[in-house]
This record gives sequence, structure tokens and C-alpha cells, in this order.
Amino acid sequence: DTGVSQNPRHKITKRGQNVTFRCDPISEHNRLYWYRQTLGQGPEFLTYFQNEAQLEKSRLLSDRFSAERPKGSFSTLEIQRTEQGDSAMYLCASSWGTGMDREAFFGQGTRLTVV
Amino acid sequence: KQEVTQIPAALSVPEGENLVLNCSFTDSAIYNLQWFRQDPGKGLTSLLLIQSSQREQTSGRLNASLDKSSGRSTLYIAASQPGDSATYLCAVLDSNYQLIWGAGTKLIIKP
Repeated sequence: DTGVSQNPRHKITKRGQNVTFRCDPISEHNRLYWYRQTLGQGPEFLTYFQNEAQLEKSRLLSDRFSAERPKGSFSTLEIQRTEQGDSAMYLCASSWGTGMDREAFFGQGTRLTVV
Repeated sequence: KQEVTQIPAALSVPEGENLVLNCSFTDSAIYNLQWFRQDPGKGLTSLLLIQSSQREQTSGRLNASLDKSSGRSTLYIAASQPGDSATYLCAVLDSNYQLIWGAGTKLIIKP
């Protein structure tokens, strides 16, 4: 296993278009997180899955954002009708947790630019 | 609501110096605290994880401490090198299994 993988690494899209990002976590990890990071800031929590169940969803995740994790493996994050304010780095992380959480491992991120 | 603060926001030191980065959090009800490194435009690399029951963790030239009762953690870097230049972020795993982040300390090691 080579770690958490995110695709694509970069995405440039026109305002109003839909985009979808994919995250492949470390295979045995049951927890998967999505974060958004803008320049000079720490990551902001978007949503969290335990296996296939979406357990937490930030208020940052407007109705234009949706995330899925079918079968508890890879996850997708879709942004509909993109806006310039959506431009950011989108980070995915996974961890193994059964009460006491293990270390979270991050992917390299998908940098979204909305023009 | 958990808040994480990192001081200083930026630090520039000559190569070879030992240095300390600080992280504070407002709610001691955490599962763990993790220190990460981020290079410009890149993802996050985990450096050290300290469980809530632990006091410190060491990896090579890095040592992280945790004082949960006072809401503080420090990351100590010994004998700094130019390759250590990066942004260092701390994050706590809160009672809702969310990672709450500081804004980071941008470290520059001058050759």
C-alpha cells in the first residue's frame, strides 16, 4: 500500500461547472476525512466517514457539496455549480480507529482553481 | 468549541539551532494530538502522534510533548537543518473524532 491517493492532483474549472474528486485511503483504514485548506490557513473539516457511513458534516459543506464512500473503500467529493470561493486545496485523510484513534495519514491533495 | 492556536506564526533561525514550536488548545477532552509538516503546495506529512494518555513522543531530531491539563503541546527540533524549512501544523482529535487544526508555524532555517 502506497498511502492515501487523491486524484486529480490539480483541477481548473470554469465557474458553474461540476467537479468530482476521488480519494483512495489506506486499505485497512475505516475512517476517512475530507478537509479544505486555503492559503496560509490550517485545514478546515468538511466531512467524515466511518466505513460507508457519513457521520459528521460541517456547516461549510453547503448543499452544493456532496461526499460518498460506497462500500467503505474509496470516497468521492463532488462540488456542483462551482464558485470562485471554492478554490482551495482539498485534502483527504484516513485512519484506523476503534475508540482510540491511530495516526491520520493524508493524501497529497487536489488543488482546485475556479476561473 | 475547541480552538487550536500556534505561536509563533513564523520563525526564522540559523542552521544548527535548537527550536521549539508551540501549540495550545482550549478543551482538554481530546483523543490525541498530532504534529504535521507541510511543504508549499503539498499535502500533509505526519511527524508525531501523542495519545491523550501519553506525555511525549520522539522521532529522530523531533520531540513532541503534551500537557493535556494545561492544553499545551510543544514540538522541539534539535540541530535544525535547511531541509526542515516548512510549515508545521498541530491538530487535536476532539471528542467528535474531528481533527481541529492550528493555522501553523512557518519555519525557515537559514543556511
